[in-house]
Amino acid sequence: GAGVSQSPSNKVTEKGKDVELRCDPISGHTALYWYRQSLGQGLEFLIYFQGNSAPDKSGLPSDRFSAERTGGSVSTLTIQRTQQEDSAVYLCASSLVPGRFAYEQYFGPGTRLTVT
Amino acid sequence: QQQVKQSPQSLIVQKGGISIINCAYENTAFDYFPWYQQFPGKGPALLIAIRPDVSEKKEGRFTISFNKSAKQFSLHIMDSQPGDSATYFCAASSYAGGTSYGKLTFGQGTILTVHP
Repeated sequence: GAGVSQSPSNKVTEKGKDVELRCDPISGHTALYWYRQSLGQGLEFLIYFQGNSAPDKSGLPSDRFSAERTGGSVSTLTIQRTQQEDSAVYLCASSLVPGRFAYEQYFGPGTRLTVT
Repeated sequence: QQQVKQSPQSLIVQKGGISIINCAYENTAFDYFPWYQQFPGKGPALLIAIRPDVSEKKEGRFTISFNKSAKQFSLHIMDSQPGDSATYFCAASSYAGGTSYGKLTFGQGTILTVHP
């Protein structure tokens, strides 16, 4: 079946612009995660969604970052007033159910964001 | 306390050799330790994972060794092949009580190169 998909695959934007990154999780997966992968920081957790529960936003680096998940499926990560330090690969992952199986996270290919 | 430290940063082995990557953690609440494999331009893919109730898990040529008292775990790749050349990440997570979400904390990654 289809895996996690993300769009766009690449995004180049000017400093100060807003960007939206999209994630389509695996069908039926109730948990969705966003991570950021950058040279200096490795892979960092950003935000987690599970069903209708309030998201865990503890990893968002600043209030310029926000995310939503509509209908328990597609998620959008929005970065406002982008800065050069936001340049990174943004990865989305999903997992099947709550509980211990939530550990088996499946990643999408990522969106490479470049802020010029 | 949330860190996972991974070494080496890079590793070169000959075809047929054994690749060994080590990770250490501090948070004793971690109870799930996966390894991810990432090829250029792709998202991380779950390779193998272990829980602390066992000291070793083997899947094909890949083995995780786990030392709970030392808070260390390692990945061994037997009979390494050029196709194994990739970046490997260890990670750790904990079962967050009634609302498990398994937020992953990643090591910094190891770039493995297997020469033919």
